[in-house]
Amino acid sequence: GAGVSQSPRYKVAKRGQDVALRCDPISGHVSLFWYQQALGQGPEFLTYFQNEAQLDKSGLPSDRFFAERPEGSVSTLKIQRTQQEDSAVYLCASSLARDRGETQYFGPGTRLLVL
Amino acid sequence: GNSVTQMEGPVTLSEEAFLTINCTYTATGYPSLFWYVQYPGEGLQLLLKATKADDKGSNKGFEATYRKETTSFHLEKGSVQVSDSAVYFCALGTSGGSYIPTFGRGTSLIVHP
Repeated sequence: GAGVSQSPRYKVAKRGQDVALRCDPISGHVSLFWYQQALGQGPEFLTYFQNEAQLDKSGLPSDRFFAERPEGSVSTLKIQRTQQEDSAVYLCASSLARDRGETQYFGPGTRLLVL
Repeated sequence: GNSVTQMEGPVTLSEEAFLTINCTYTATGYPSLFWYVQYPGEGLQLLLKATKADDKGSNKGFEATYRKETTSFHLEKGSVQVSDSAVYFCALGTSGGSYIPTFGRGTSLIVHP
């Protein structure tokens, strides 16, 4: 079956622009995670959804970052007034349920470059 | 808070050499432990996992044992191949009020023929 997909794969933005990154999780997966991955680092947690409910957004670095999953499937991560420090790969992952032993399935990521 | 520490890379080996990538963790509660792998140009994918102490996860010739007494989950493979060249991430997940998966910074493995 289809895996997690993300779009766009690459995005170049001018400083101050708003961007929207899309994630299509595996059908039927309850949990959805967003991560930020800087070059040479591991994924850093941003936010977590269980169905349409955003249960944890403690990793969002500022109020310029906003995520939603209105129907419990597709999710969008929006970054307003982008800054150069926002340049990173943004990863989306989904899992069947919220459980500490549950495997996460990752998308290919969106590479964001802010000039 | 939770944290994962991995040995720094790159790790460079010849084909058929023995591999160990060290991973230690700190966590509240009873974490599950994971190794994810990222091959060049691809997304992260699960390599193996263990959900309780003394469990051994294994896949594709790789193994890791959940050692609660040393808070470790070291990745091993007896004979690496060129196709194992990738970045390996150790990770943990905990239950409780705040479920935030935590990843290490990754260890790059380069295997030469």
